[in-house]
Amino acid sequence: NAGVTQTPKFQVLKTGQSMTLQCAQDMNHEYMSWYRQDPGMGLRLIHYSVGAGITDQGEVPNGYNVSRSTTEDFPLRLLSAAPSQTSVYFCASSRQGGGEQYFGPGTRLTVT
Amino acid sequence: GENVEQHPSTLSVQEGDSAVIKCTYSDSASNYFPWYKQELGKRPQLIIDIRSNVGEKKDQRIAVTLNKTAKHFSLHITETQPEDSAVYFCAASDKAAGNKLTFGGGTRVLVKP
Repeated sequence: NAGVTQTPKFQVLKTGQSMTLQCAQDMNHEYMSWYRQDPGMGLRLIHYSVGAGITDQGEVPNGYNVSRSTTEDFPLRLLSAAPSQTSVYFCASSRQGGGEQYFGPGTRLTVT
Repeated sequence: GENVEQHPSTLSVQEGDSAVIKCTYSDSASNYFPWYKQELGKRPQLIIDIRSNVGEKKDQRIAVTLNKTAKHFSLHITETQPEDSAVYFCAASDKAAGNKLTFGGGTRVLVKP
């Protein structure tokens, strides 16, 4: 099993550009989530999904969209990048019913 | 929503000493409390977790205690080693709220040889 994979590993965007961060898992987990981690800070939940076709907002959803068309994939879209979105983004998954969340390797995003 | 506070933000210990990190949470409905370790430039990884029906759990040099009445839980690392140096995060989640994890701000632990 590859676990949770994320692409790209690094990305530089200009203000106003849009892009999609990819996340996939091969563990048949129902629950998937996106976090952002700013320097010296904890992880803040952006959006999450409890299953295919179901998504909901987390703590800091503004400026981001998600969709969950399959169990495996949970892409995060930045609509119009802003410097405040410079961060490390982690995708995570867990089996339905709670328990350990498995994190992907992260995407380091810089918006200039 | 849930709020998790974590203290201290930094912790320096001598190798072989113990380290204790404390977290408080606000939502009494939270029922799952994991601890994650994050090494520099790496992803967070679960090191131990506890559910609300258990007061204490131990795994080798690591233990977690939970006080539901006071709404706080703690991580204890004994006989610290240099490889324990990392950032540690506590978190809390509520199954009824879709298992959303709310994280504390993290504790940077430095084990001095």
